[in-house]
Amino acid sequence: GNSVTQMEGPVTLSEEAFLTINCTYTATGYPSLFWYVQYPGEGLQLLLKATKADDKGSNKGFEATYRKETTSFHLEKGSVQVSDSAVYFCALRGRGTSYGKLTFGQGTILTVHP
Amino acid sequence: EPEVTQTPSHQVTQMGQEVILRCVPISNHLYFYWYRQILGQKVEFLVSFYNNEISEKSEIFDDQFSVERPDGSNFTLKIRSTKLEDSAMYFCASRPTPVTSTDTQYFGPGTRLTVL
Repeated sequence: GNSVTQMEGPVTLSEEAFLTINCTYTATGYPSLFWYVQYPGEGLQLLLKATKADDKGSNKGFEATYRKETTSFHLEKGSVQVSDSAVYFCALRGRGTSYGKLTFGQGTILTVHP
Repeated sequence: EPEVTQTPSHQVTQMGQEVILRCVPISNHLYFYWYRQILGQKVEFLVSFYNNEISEKSEIFDDQFSVERPDGSNFTLKIRSTKLEDSAMYFCASRPTPVTSTDTQYFGPGTRLTVL
């Protein structure tokens, strides 16, 4: 079946540092890939997505590229801010899953210090 | 911006009791979902609901669980006889109709269920 693996956390960075959170997946066919973010006390919010190989999703300075050859969708940001402190979830939606079930990774806690 | 809401934010119950978790999806959405996250573990799919019936469910969603859309706005998850292992954060989500051709699911803030 489908699965998503994220890098172990938590991740602690200083403000303006470079961020990478690794995500790899296992799926049949060509899934759609997502990054969701959860700020303290809030729900999961879609951060970015990519629906086919080599697509790059981007939002709020975050980027992730759909790499079919390495089955990866790593999240990057060039300069993190304290306000980026949150839990980040990688997820996929398999093809043929017409009702949209998402399969999530375990989440990575990011803490950014001033 | 429209959002998914969930009540209560935290529910404490005794083992064996029934609980109902409530969700109000975004008003023009037709696909609804429940997920849960046991502390320290992955967010897991429980069930999807469309056109007043379950469209897909996971192995977790056994006979103790049920979902309902009792009126035009609410979407509920009922656990008939709670177990200690049901303690988790439960997330509701909704998705636009396929007419908009979008994959985005919109999530609520979650209900933390604690079973004692």
